[in-house]
Amino acid sequence: DTGVSQNPRHKITKRGQNVTFRCDPISEHNRLYWYRQTLGQGPEFLTYFQNEAQLEKSRLLSDRFSAERPKGSFSTLEIQRTEQGDSAMYLCASSFRGSADGTQYFGPGTRLLVL
Amino acid sequence: SQQGEEDPQALSIQEGENATMNCSYKTSINNLQWYRQNSGRGLVHLILIRSNEREKHSGRLRVTLDTSKKSSSLLITASRAADTASYFCATFGFGNEKLTFGTGTRLTIIP
Repeated sequence: DTGVSQNPRHKITKRGQNVTFRCDPISEHNRLYWYRQTLGQGPEFLTYFQNEAQLEKSRLLSDRFSAERPKGSFSTLEIQRTEQGDSAMYLCASSFRGSADGTQYFGPGTRLLVL
Repeated sequence: SQQGEEDPQALSIQEGENATMNCSYKTSINNLQWYRQNSGRGLVHLILIRSNEREKHSGRLRVTLDTSKKSSSLLITASRAADTASYFCATFGFGNEKLTFGTGTRLTIIP
């Protein structure tokens, strides 16, 4: 399977704990995106990378959130001191910079539940 | 923040009927895309329409775009049970690289 993969698929944690999610994009894609989706809503943009450079961050990405893509391949999204409001589906997507139309390929998501 | 609204929020139809869902957006766009999301899973790209296009077809899908009204519609013809999913429109603007999604339409096909 050469699609976007995300791990873990589900995460249950207690309030105040730190969590880290991983995304492996399609191998030839140099752009990687993180979105957050709450129940009954569409995905909301969090941040995106071109290669290893983080080029844009949403104001939704508070200082408790940090994302990295150290070698321009996989990416991690860490949430520190989780809060119940962080419960959501975290979606990763990738695209190829040469594609000018913005079509993105999504992974299956990581569903986070903060108790 | 969400780009706009989708209408209806939920739609139930009999298998074989056509399903139409609408999307409104707020800002000027480069293109508009439709994605499908099966329950609790990732999104799958369905179709893209550019701002200078008015209608596009792909298999059983037909999408229209009216930039003067900032609206789009997605028609699924001859619906199947496997079409049961949530459908989202997403806009791709100029000078930014992110997709801005609508609130989604939850489609249920009754066998």
